[in-house]
Amino acid sequence: GEDVEQSLFLSVREGDSSVINCTYTDSSSTYLYWYKQEPGAGLQLLTYIFSNMDMKQDQRLTVLLNKKDKHLSLRIADTQTGDSAIYFCAERGQDSSASKIIFGSGTRLSIRP
Amino acid sequence: GAVVSQHPSWVICKSGTSVKIECRSLDFQATTMFWYRQFPKQSLMLMATSNEGSKATYEQGVEKDKFLINHASLTLSTLTVTSAHPEDSSFYICSARAETGAYGYTFGSGTRLTVV
Repeated sequence: GEDVEQSLFLSVREGDSSVINCTYTDSSSTYLYWYKQEPGAGLQLLTYIFSNMDMKQDQRLTVLLNKKDKHLSLRIADTQTGDSAIYFCAERGQDSSASKIIFGSGTRLSIRP
Repeated sequence: GAVVSQHPSWVICKSGTSVKIECRSLDFQATTMFWYRQFPKQSLMLMATSNEGSKATYEQGVEKDKFLINHASLTLSTLTVTSAHPEDSSFYICSARAETGAYGYTFGSGTRLTVV
């Protein structure tokens, strides 16, 4: 079945760039997502990328997609303390009204002063 | 934008009682909603897909008689945890796909259930 994997932890210095990596197995993925979850809260969609794109930039966020290797990354430029959270990579298969999203384990991003 | 309201945000109940969690799409109609469960420091696990007007589709290993899902209208899905036990304590999150929009998935703010 589908599987999405991420490293569990990442620690970066404030002001540096954070790069969170993700791999997935479903070759029929249509959309890939990055969600942010702060403690005790729901999920906030940060950004998404369609499977026929290889890069998407949105302010401090840059998403890179290597479809051949099934590798997705999220780069956060100028990381701030407010970026501390868990970041989930997720993928959706073929586009239909009932398509479900499969989540990775989440990467806990912590910021060092 | 698309908004999903989930209620309650937290609930404490006694073992053996049932708890109902509501998920509403506020400004769009959702023919399909999804229910997830998240254990502490773990990822979201899809429990079931809720289909308006028909039976929910449960993921493998999820007891449909314990986690009752009702999706009677295009804006409301409910998850009822029946005869709750402490091991059912978890964070439950619903999601809905807006009918318009390229990506479409919006998540509720989650419900933290504690069974004592």
